[in-house]
Amino acid sequence: QQQVKQSPQSLIVQKGGISIINCAYENTAFDYFPWYQQFPGKGPALLIAIRPDVSEKKEGRFTISFNKSAKQFSLHIMDSQPGDSATYFCAASRLSGYSTLTFGKGTMLLVSP
Amino acid sequence: GAGVSQTPSNKVTEKGKYVELRCDPISGHTALYWYRQSLGQGPEFLIYFQGTGAADDSGLPNDRFFAVRPEGSVSTLKIQRTERGDSAVYLCASSLTGNLGYNEQFFGPGTRLTVL
Repeated sequence: QQQVKQSPQSLIVQKGGISIINCAYENTAFDYFPWYQQFPGKGPALLIAIRPDVSEKKEGRFTISFNKSAKQFSLHIMDSQPGDSATYFCAASRLSGYSTLTFGKGTMLLVSP
Repeated sequence: GAGVSQTPSNKVTEKGKYVELRCDPISGHTALYWYRQSLGQGPEFLIYFQGTGAADDSGLPNDRFFAVRPEGSVSTLKIQRTERGDSAVYLCASSLTGNLGYNEQFFGPGTRLTVL
């Protein structure tokens, strides 16, 4: 059972464009939703995260939109740059107790120059 | 300061052999996690340590997998009688603590295990 579904699997965006990656979760006990960025040969690194008490969080060019009723959240990368080319993972966790992460399958983003 | 380190970076072994993968967490981090990342997939949780004890090992796929953290710092993931399906990148992460709300998990670069 896949608890966090992520789409698309891959994405090509022109430099300066908007990259959008979507995720949906099933477990309503999840209350913390981070996005991770992974470059080849490296471990995932936290990019931005949101709690369900807000519908949007913005940090620089990165924005998370959250729809609690639909159990969906998305990552928007504005003014995408070639340096943003990486694999992006959405994840979900619980704030109470310990915090293991449940990841989506990932989206490979390529920003063309 | 230094991040999470993992050794070796690459490990090639033959089917049926025993392997050990090592993780050095960030100093002072009491929580340590192991994840497995298969090709084209997201990381999947294996086991979580709070201090020296395994607080949750529900993600270990079978009894060939075992992990220890005897002094509450370095952890070793041990795989017996390796199978080709064990081939993956094994990621280690640490966080300041696992019990008090969410603390960011910092990931190491992983160990790429290839079972021939």
